[in-house]
Amino acid sequence: NAGVTQTPKFRILKIGQSMTLQCAQDMNHNYMYWYRQDPGMGLKLIYYSVGAGITDKGEVPNGYNVSRSTTEDFPLRLELAAPSQTSVYFCASSYRQSGQETQYFGPGTRLLVL
Amino acid sequence: GESVGLHLPTLSVQEGDNSIINCAYSNSASDYFIWYKQESGKGPQFIIDIRSNMDKRQGQRVTVLLNKTVKHLSLQIAATQPGDSAVYFCAENGAGFQKLVFGTGTRLLVSP
Repeated sequence: NAGVTQTPKFRILKIGQSMTLQCAQDMNHNYMYWYRQDPGMGLKLIYYSVGAGITDKGEVPNGYNVSRSTTEDFPLRLELAAPSQTSVYFCASSYRQSGQETQYFGPGTRLLVL
Repeated sequence: GESVGLHLPTLSVQEGDNSIINCAYSNSASDYFIWYKQESGKGPQFIIDIRSNMDKRQGQRVTVLLNKTVKHLSLQIAATQPGDSAVYFCAENGAGFQKLVFGTGTRLLVSP
């Protein structure tokens, strides 16, 4: 299994540009998540999905959109990039077993908005 | 609201020492806790977890202790190695939630 994969690894955007961060998992996990991590900080949840066709907002959803058309893929869309969206973005997936949930993270996408 | 925080932002230890990383949480309804390790330039990696019906769980060189009375979680690393140098995050998964709440992290620096 490749686990959780993310593309691209690094991207520079100009203010106002749009882009999609790709995330895929091959573990057949129902739950998927997008986090952002600012320098020296913890992870903040942007959006999450409990299954194909179902998404919900996390702690910091403004400026982002997601879709979940398949179990495997969970892309994150930035419509109008702003400098405040400069961050490292992590995608994660998880399963629940006996009330426990372990999230597996991708390697991250580093985004710089200038 | 719920929050998870850490007492020490940076912990420096010598190789071979035991390390203890602490975490406080505020949501008394949380029933599941996880420790993650994040190396530079990488995503977080699962280390160990514990449910609220336990107060101690051991893994390979790591032990997690949970004190529900004072809402405190700790990660103990035995015989710390340079490869343990990383940022360690605690996270809680409140009862009924699918969302993890992460602390800000503690950086562990291991000197040879």
